[in-house]
Amino acid sequence: EAQVTQNPRYLITVTGKKLTVTCSQNMNHEYMSWYRQDPGLGLRQIYYSMNVEVTDKGDVPEGYKVSRKEKRNFPLILESPSPNQTSLYFCASSSLGGWKTQYFGPGTRLLVL
Amino acid sequence: QKEVEQNSGPLSVPEGAIASLNCTYSDRVSQSFFWYRQYSGKSPELIMSIYSNGDKEDGRFTAQLNKASQYVSLLIRDSQPSDSATYLCAVESGGSYIPTFGRGTSLIVHP
Repeated sequence: EAQVTQNPRYLITVTGKKLTVTCSQNMNHEYMSWYRQDPGLGLRQIYYSMNVEVTDKGDVPEGYKVSRKEKRNFPLILESPSPNQTSLYFCASSSLGGWKTQYFGPGTRLLVL
Repeated sequence: QKEVEQNSGPLSVPEGAIASLNCTYSDRVSQSFFWYRQYSGKSPELIMSIYSNGDKEDGRFTAQLNKASQYVSLLIRDSQPSDSATYLCAVESGGSYIPTFGRGTSLIVHP
């Protein structure tokens, strides 16, 4: 089954404790991206990647890091989480040719205390 | 600052009616336009994309684009209660790979 998976689905942490949210896709997609969704603000892109070792900033990259060492994985790293990073996070992927048909993962709900 | 505006709603329509969802955007060089559906607690799902002026139909859904007016809309014919969801409009400028999403319109279809 074609899918994008994210782990964990729910996470409660404390300020400053480094965390990683994993994202994996099994569709051999070149393009992967991370979004955060906040009430009243909609979906905003954090980072995206066009292929292995190729990443670039989206609209709200501050406080986040990503890496793309393998085509299928695109982890999101919060080196020192802060309460304003409490949000719902989505990973998405697509092929570059039809890159606009993005497939979203199920979401990770993060609470930073 | 690129902006995509949607009425937050909720838009309430009776079952069987036509639901009309609207979206305006600020960036004149925008080239690609998308409608996503998001059920409560779920991830967004692409339902329509449109790239040129005019109408594009897919089943009960019709996307309409007017680049001169910077306006894109989604019509849902024969609305069903299962269409109740939040509809997100997204706009992308050519080659940017950074879509800008609107805040979404909540649609409620009541029996």
